[in-house]
Amino acid sequence: DQQVKQNSPSLSVQEGRISILNCDYTNSMFDYFLWYKKYPAEGPTFLISISSIKDKNEDGRFTVFLNKSAKHLSLHIVPSQPGDSAVYFCAATGNQFYFGTGTSLTVIP
Amino acid sequence: KAGVTQTPRYLIKTRGQQVTLSCSPISGHRSVSWYQQTPGQGLQFLFEYFSETQRNKGNFPGRFSGRQFSNSRSEMNVSTLELGDSALYLCASSSEGTAEIEKLFFGSGTQLSVL
Repeated sequence: DQQVKQNSPSLSVQEGRISILNCDYTNSMFDYFLWYKKYPAEGPTFLISISSIKDKNEDGRFTVFLNKSAKHLSLHIVPSQPGDSAVYFCAATGNQFYFGTGTSLTVIP
Repeated sequence: KAGVTQTPRYLIKTRGQQVTLSCSPISGHRSVSWYQQTPGQGLQFLFEYFSETQRNKGNFPGRFSGRQFSNSRSEMNVSTLELGDSALYLCASSSEGTAEIEKLFFGSGTQLSVL
């Protein structure tokens, strides 16, 4: 039972444009939501998080939006850079971490 | 501060064999969790250990087991390997009881191939 879902397996964006990665979840009891970034042959690294009491968190080029009523969060990257090309996982915390299946982002120079 | 260390990086086994993977967490971290990553399945939670006790377990068969030692190092064992066990196995550690939001710090993983 996938409690965190990323319905887009891949996304291609031109350099300088906005990248929007989406994530849906089913459990309204999740406390925190996080995004991780993963390069090939490396472990995922933490990117940005948001508490369930907030609806937006910003860190440089990265912004996460949370819509609790829709059980939806999104990651915006502006402007996108070629170095952002990676697989992005969203995650939610309850009694454990629940991860989505990942979205592979390709930023085209 | 050293990161999470997983050994070995690569492993090739045949069906029916067993395998043991090792994970050393970040110094001071008491929680270690294990994940399986396969194409299209994302990160599937295997189990979490905290202070040598299994605290949570994912939906994997009993062939998958683990343990944690007093120094927080953890091992994961898979017995009677199947072809479908081929995956990247990731270990993550986290600190607990801090004011920061709890985050996972991942190792680079062990890529297991079952032939």
